[in-house]
Amino acid sequence: AQTVTQSQPEMSVQEAETVTLSCTYDTSESDYYLFWYKQPPSRQMILVIRQEAYKQQNATENRFSVNFQKAAKSFSLKISDSQLGDAAMYFCAYRSAPRDNAGNMLTFGGGTRLMVKP
Amino acid sequence: EAGVAQSPRYKIIEKRQSVAFWCNPISGHATLYWYQQILGQGPKLLIQFQNNGVVDDSQLPKDRFSAERLKGVDSTLKIQPAKLEDSAVYLCASSYRSGGYTFGSGTRLTVV
Repeated sequence: AQTVTQSQPEMSVQEAETVTLSCTYDTSESDYYLFWYKQPPSRQMILVIRQEAYKQQNATENRFSVNFQKAAKSFSLKISDSQLGDAAMYFCAYRSAPRDNAGNMLTFGGGTRLMVKP
Repeated sequence: EAGVAQSPRYKIIEKRQSVAFWCNPISGHATLYWYQQILGQGPKLLIQFQNNGVVDDSQLPKDRFSAERLKGVDSTLKIQPAKLEDSAVYLCASSYRSGGYTFGSGTRLTVV
C-alpha cells in the first residue's frame, strides 16, 4: 500500500516571500501521479498542481512549482510571492496510474497548515 | 460545468442516531468516491464506485456504514448507528477515467 507523509504540521511565511512544503511518499509502483491540493476553510479541495511520475520536468503553475525527486520519493511544493489568499491547509496526494477505465483513489498526507503574515 | 453537489452542508446528531449524506457527481463521471476527513487529518477513502458497482470498500466500517449508487449517478452514504468518532467531514468526489478529480464541498458531521 502507498503512504504519503507530510512532516510539517504548520508553516508560516511573510507575504511576498517564498515557502516550501515537504512531502515524501512510499510506493513500489513506477507509474503514478502526485498532487498538491489546497483546502481553505470552505472545505473545498482545490487542485494546485499535478505531476506525472514519468515526466522528468518539474511541473509549474504560475507561482506554484514542485521539486519532484523520484528516486528519493520526494515531492515538495514551492510557493513564490506568497499572498494572503494562499493561507490554507495543503495536502500532498498520490494516485496510481489507471490500468483500465476506472479512476483510482487518492492517498493523502496529513496536511500542512500554511499561515501567511501581512 | 456544474460541480459535485453534496447535501446537507452541516449535520448534528446524537450518538446512536442515523444520518444520510447525498452526492450528485459531475455528469458523465463514471467513478465516484466517498472520503472521510477527521479534523486535523487528510481525507481517507471510504468507498469507490465505478458506475453503480463497488470497486473498493475495504476501509468502510460495514457494521455501521453503507453506501449505494443506484443507476450509476448520484450516491447516498449512511451511518447507522453513529458513534462519537464518526464526527468528520464527508467529502464526495468524482472523476472520468484517468482525468482529474472534482470534489464537493463536503458535509460536516458532528456526533454529540
